[in-house]
Amino acid sequence: KTQVEQSPQSLVVRQGENCVLQCNYSVTPDNHLRWFKQDTGKGLVSLTVLVHENDKTSNGRYSATLDKDAKHSTLHITATLLDDTATYICVVGDRGSALGRLHFGAGTQLIVIP
Amino acid sequence: DMKVTQMPRYLIKRMGENVLLECGQDMSHETMYWYRQDPGLGLQLIYISYDVDSNSEGDIPKGYRVSRKKREHFSLILDSAKTNQTSVYFCASSFRDRGGAEQFFGPGTRLTVL
Repeated sequence: KTQVEQSPQSLVVRQGENCVLQCNYSVTPDNHLRWFKQDTGKGLVSLTVLVHENDKTSNGRYSATLDKDAKHSTLHITATLLDDTATYICVVGDRGSALGRLHFGAGTQLIVIP
Repeated sequence: DMKVTQMPRYLIKRMGENVLLECGQDMSHETMYWYRQDPGLGLQLIYISYDVDSNSEGDIPKGYRVSRKKREHFSLILDSAKTNQTSVYFCASSFRDRGGAEQFFGPGTRLTVL
């Protein structure tokens, strides 16, 4: 059973527009949540990590929130650029050590058009 | 330059042939991982290595084996490859005590088994 669900599955926006990606999960315990960006044919690159209840993070045009009670996270991308075209993957860790496991969502494919 | 490397990047094999995928890291990470990524699915953990000759099965180990003789190298071996092992394989590494929160990913190896 999939423990990390992402929506939408895919999204097309025009350059300059904002977008919001959603992540719902059922992983327990939920130690932390990380958003990755995966360019086509490349590996995963970390964007931000959220650890605490009601955490909010900001990394340039990327910002994220975490609601541990609802087991829900959002990733906001502001003023999208063509280079933002990629798959964004939500990952939930069930422990803060190498003994824990990462639970991966299937990703949201974002396409930014001119 | 902190990075995870994978070789080869692309590989085509016939069913029944043996496959060797190599991974290297220059960050002195104790823990290394092998994942596979299939369309519509999140990354799935095949094997995890906590250090030299200290390997554990992940969620989908069947049909795979691993070797870790040096801390900086982690190999994934497919003995008699099957067509359903066609996938993109990712290697990752982390410090033991920071495990799931800070995994660094390689660029991936795209394996096709005909």
